[in-house]
Amino acid sequence: RKEVEQDPGPFNVPEGATVAFNCTYSNSASQSFFWYRQDCRKEPKLLMSVYSSGNEDGRFTAQLNRASQYISLLIRDSKLSDSATYLCVVRTNFNKFYFGSGTKLNVKP
Amino acid sequence: EAQVTQNPRYLITVTGKKLTVTCSQNMNHEYMSWYRQDPGLGLRQIYYSMNVEVTDKGDVPEGYKVSRKEKRNFPLILESPSPNQTSLYFCASRGTSGRGSDEQYFGPGTRLTVT
Repeated sequence: RKEVEQDPGPFNVPEGATVAFNCTYSNSASQSFFWYRQDCRKEPKLLMSVYSSGNEDGRFTAQLNRASQYISLLIRDSKLSDSATYLCVVRTNFNKFYFGSGTKLNVKP
Repeated sequence: EAQVTQNPRYLITVTGKKLTVTCSQNMNHEYMSWYRQDPGLGLRQIYYSMNVEVTDKGDVPEGYKVSRKEKRNFPLILESPSPNQTSLYFCASRGTSGRGSDEQYFGPGTRLTVT
Protein backbone atom coordinates (compact mmCIF):
# COMPACT_ATOMS: atom_id res chain seq x y z
CA ARG A 1 0.00 0.00 0.00
CA LYS A 2 1.33 3.45 -0.88
CA GLU A 3 2.09 5.82 2.00
CA VAL A 4 0.23 8.67 0.27
CA GLU A 5 -2.54 8.17 -2.25
CA GLN A 6 -4.04 10.71 -4.60
CA ASP A 7 -6.47 10.61 -7.49
CA PRO A 8 -4.22 11.16 -10.54
CA GLY A 9 -6.91 13.01 -12.50
CA PRO A 10 -6.73 14.81 -14.79
CA PHE A 11 -9.29 17.27 -13.57
CA ASN A 12 -10.43 19.38 -16.53
CA VAL A 13 -12.27 22.48 -15.33
CA PRO A 14 -13.31 25.82 -16.86
CA GLU A 15 -11.85 29.09 -15.64
CA GLY A 16 -13.65 30.32 -12.55
CA ALA A 17 -14.60 26.86 -11.34
CA THR A 18 -14.02 25.51 -7.86
CA VAL A 19 -12.09 22.26 -7.71
CA ALA A 20 -11.17 20.00 -4.80
CA PHE A 21 -8.38 17.45 -4.48
CA ASN A 22 -8.14 14.78 -1.84
CA CYS A 23 -5.33 12.71 -0.47
CA THR A 24 -5.04 9.95 2.13
CA TYR A 25 -1.99 8.86 4.08
CA SER A 26 -1.29 5.58 5.86
CA ASN A 27 1.07 6.48 8.71
CA SER A 28 -0.90 7.75 11.69
CA ALA A 29 2.35 9.07 13.24
CA SER A 30 2.85 11.53 10.37
CA GLN A 31 3.69 14.98 11.66
CA SER A 32 3.57 17.54 8.87
CA PHE A 33 1.46 17.87 5.76
CA PHE A 34 1.85 19.91 2.61
CA TRP A 35 0.59 20.63 -0.85
CA TYR A 36 3.26 21.23 -3.48
CA ARG A 37 2.75 22.33 -7.04
CA GLN A 38 4.78 20.97 -9.94
CA ASP A 39 4.76 22.39 -13.45
CA CYS A 40 5.59 20.07 -16.33
CA ARG A 41 8.47 18.03 -14.78
CA LYS A 42 10.03 21.11 -13.20
CA GLU A 43 10.95 21.17 -9.53
CA PRO A 44 8.11 21.00 -7.00
CA LYS A 45 7.37 24.20 -5.12
CA LEU A 46 5.54 24.57 -1.84
CA LEU A 47 1.98 25.75 -2.29
CA MET A 48 0.99 25.60 1.37
CA SER A 49 1.46 23.69 4.58
CA VAL A 50 -1.64 22.08 6.02
CA TYR A 51 -2.59 22.57 9.65
CA SER A 52 -5.10 20.70 11.80
CA SER A 53 -7.28 23.77 12.13
CA GLY A 54 -7.40 24.22 8.36
CA ASN A 55 -5.79 27.14 6.61
CA GLU A 56 -6.41 29.46 3.72
CA ASP A 57 -4.14 31.38 1.38
CA GLY A 58 -6.08 33.53 -1.05
CA ARG A 59 -8.05 31.21 -3.34
CA PHE A 60 -6.56 28.09 -1.77
CA THR A 61 -7.90 26.29 1.30
CA ALA A 62 -6.32 23.23 2.86
CA GLN A 63 -7.87 20.91 5.42
CA LEU A 64 -6.46 18.07 7.49
CA ASN A 65 -8.46 15.33 9.18
CA ARG A 66 -6.09 13.35 11.38
CA ALA A 67 -8.74 10.88 12.50
CA SER A 68 -9.48 9.88 8.90
CA GLN A 69 -5.88 10.47 7.73
CA TYR A 70 -7.17 12.66 4.96
CA ILE A 71 -5.92 15.94 3.45
CA SER A 72 -7.77 18.17 1.03
CA LEU A 73 -7.07 21.18 -1.16
CA LEU A 74 -9.79 23.47 -2.48
CA ILE A 75 -9.09 25.94 -5.27
CA ARG A 76 -11.69 28.62 -5.86
CA ASP A 77 -12.08 30.79 -8.96
CA SER A 78 -9.60 28.70 -10.97
CA LYS A 79 -7.18 30.54 -13.24
CA LEU A 80 -5.43 29.26 -16.36
CA SER A 81 -2.18 29.64 -14.42
CA ASP A 82 -3.39 27.08 -11.86
CA SER A 83 -2.89 24.33 -14.45
CA ALA A 84 -0.24 22.07 -12.93
CA THR A 85 0.18 18.85 -10.98
CA TYR A 86 -0.58 19.09 -7.27
CA LEU A 87 1.42 16.87 -4.95
CA CYS A 88 0.27 15.81 -1.51
CA VAL A 89 3.26 15.42 0.83
CA VAL A 90 3.61 13.98 4.31
CA ARG A 91 6.55 14.10 6.72
CA THR A 92 6.81 11.26 9.21
CA ASN A 93 8.15 11.37 12.73
CA PHE A 94 11.48 10.05 11.36
CA ASN A 95 11.96 13.02 9.03
CA LYS A 96 11.18 11.00 5.95
CA PHE A 97 9.00 12.59 3.30
CA TYR A 98 6.39 10.74 1.27
CA PHE A 99 4.86 12.18 -1.87
CA GLY A 100 1.65 11.24 -3.57
CA SER A 101 1.92 10.61 -7.30
CA GLY A 102 0.14 13.89 -7.98
CA THR A 103 -3.19 15.15 -9.30
CA LYS A 104 -3.14 16.89 -12.65
CA LEU A 105 -5.30 19.98 -13.10
CA ASN A 106 -6.12 21.49 -16.49
CA VAL A 107 -7.96 24.81 -16.37
CA LYS A 108 -9.54 25.63 -19.72
CA PRO A 109 -10.61 29.07 -21.02
CA GLU B 1 19.56 34.42 -4.29
CA ALA B 2 18.58 31.44 -2.13
CA GLN B 3 18.81 28.33 -4.24
CA VAL B 4 19.62 24.65 -4.65
CA THR B 5 21.79 23.81 -7.63
CA GLN B 6 22.33 20.46 -9.28
CA ASN B 7 24.80 19.35 -11.91
CA PRO B 8 24.60 18.05 -14.49
CA ARG B 9 21.05 18.86 -15.58
CA TYR B 10 21.06 16.14 -18.24
CA LEU B 11 23.20 13.03 -18.43
CA ILE B 12 23.22 10.04 -20.75
CA THR B 13 25.55 7.26 -19.67
CA VAL B 14 26.13 3.55 -20.09
CA THR B 15 25.53 0.71 -17.69
CA GLY B 16 28.27 0.32 -15.10
CA LYS B 17 30.02 3.65 -15.56
CA LYS B 18 30.27 5.37 -12.18
CA LEU B 19 28.75 8.83 -11.97
CA THR B 20 28.17 11.59 -9.44
CA VAL B 21 25.39 14.16 -9.42
CA THR B 22 26.29 17.18 -7.35
CA CYS B 23 23.91 19.19 -5.19
CA SER B 24 24.67 22.42 -3.40
CA GLN B 25 22.56 24.84 -1.34
CA ASN B 26 23.36 28.34 -0.12
CA MET B 27 20.74 28.62 2.64
CA ASN B 28 22.77 27.04 5.45
CA HIS B 29 20.15 24.29 5.71
CA GLU B 30 20.85 21.29 7.91
CA TYR B 31 18.58 18.85 6.07
CA MET B 32 19.26 17.70 2.52
CA SER B 33 17.64 14.94 0.52
CA TRP B 34 17.64 13.17 -2.82
CA TYR B 35 14.52 12.00 -4.65
CA ARG B 36 13.80 10.25 -7.89
CA GLN B 37 10.62 10.82 -9.87
CA ASP B 38 9.16 8.21 -12.17
CA PRO B 39 5.84 8.31 -14.06
CA GLY B 40 2.94 7.09 -11.94
CA LEU B 41 5.14 6.67 -8.85
CA GLY B 42 5.64 10.25 -7.74
CA LEU B 43 8.76 11.36 -5.94
CA ARG B 44 10.47 8.73 -3.84
CA GLN B 45 13.13 9.54 -1.28
CA ILE B 46 16.51 7.91 -1.89
CA TYR B 47 18.66 9.24 0.97
CA TYR B 48 18.50 12.14 3.35
CA SER B 49 20.90 13.87 5.70
CA MET B 50 20.05 15.65 8.91
CA ASN B 51 23.45 17.32 9.12
CA VAL B 52 27.14 16.93 8.27
CA GLU B 53 28.26 13.29 8.48
CA VAL B 54 24.70 12.12 9.25
CA THR B 55 22.90 10.27 6.46
CA ASP B 56 19.95 7.88 6.41
CA LYS B 57 18.25 5.69 3.86
CA GLY B 58 14.97 6.76 2.35
CA ASP B 59 12.56 4.45 0.59
CA VAL B 60 14.67 3.48 -2.42
CA PRO B 61 18.38 3.58 -1.47
CA GLU B 62 19.54 0.48 -3.38
CA GLY B 63 22.19 1.28 -5.98
CA TYR B 64 22.94 4.75 -4.59
CA LYS B 65 25.46 6.27 -2.20
CA VAL B 66 25.66 9.70 -0.65
CA SER B 67 28.07 11.66 1.48
CA ARG B 68 27.75 14.84 3.54
CA LYS B 69 31.20 16.16 4.27
CA GLU B 70 30.16 19.82 4.13
CA LYS B 71 26.88 21.40 5.09
CA ARG B 72 26.22 22.93 1.68
CA ASN B 73 26.95 19.85 -0.49
CA PHE B 74 25.21 16.50 -0.79
CA PRO B 75 26.40 14.52 -3.83
CA LEU B 76 24.56 11.45 -5.13
CA ILE B 77 26.81 8.65 -6.34
CA LEU B 78 25.83 5.81 -8.64
CA GLU B 79 28.71 3.33 -8.44
CA SER B 80 27.40 1.05 -11.20
CA PRO B 81 24.37 2.59 -12.90
CA SER B 82 21.76 0.32 -14.43
CA PRO B 83 18.89 1.12 -16.85
CA ASN B 84 16.33 0.96 -14.01
CA GLN B 85 18.01 4.05 -12.56
CA THR B 86 16.93 6.07 -15.56
CA SER B 87 14.85 8.77 -13.91
CA LEU B 88 14.43 12.43 -13.02
CA TYR B 89 16.39 13.22 -9.86
CA PHE B 90 15.75 16.10 -7.48
CA CYS B 91 17.86 17.36 -4.62
CA ALA B 92 16.16 19.32 -1.84
CA SER B 93 17.10 21.13 1.34
CA ARG B 94 15.26 22.52 4.34
CA GLY B 95 16.05 24.17 7.63
CA THR B 96 15.22 22.23 10.78
CA SER B 97 14.25 25.00 13.16
CA GLY B 98 12.31 28.21 13.13
CA ARG B 99 9.41 29.48 11.11
CA GLY B 100 8.97 27.82 7.74
CA SER B 101 11.51 25.12 8.56
CA ASP B 102 9.34 22.38 7.12
CA GLU B 103 9.45 23.78 3.58
CA GLN B 104 11.72 21.91 1.22
CA TYR B 105 13.48 23.83 -1.53
CA PHE B 106 14.17 21.78 -4.63
CA GLY B 107 16.90 21.95 -7.20
CA PRO B 108 15.98 22.11 -10.91
CA GLY B 109 16.35 18.36 -11.44
CA THR B 110 18.79 16.05 -13.24
CA ARG B 111 17.44 13.92 -16.05
CA LEU B 112 19.53 10.72 -16.14
CA THR B 113 19.37 8.10 -18.87
CA VAL B 114 21.31 4.86 -18.47
CA THR B 115 21.60 2.76 -21.62
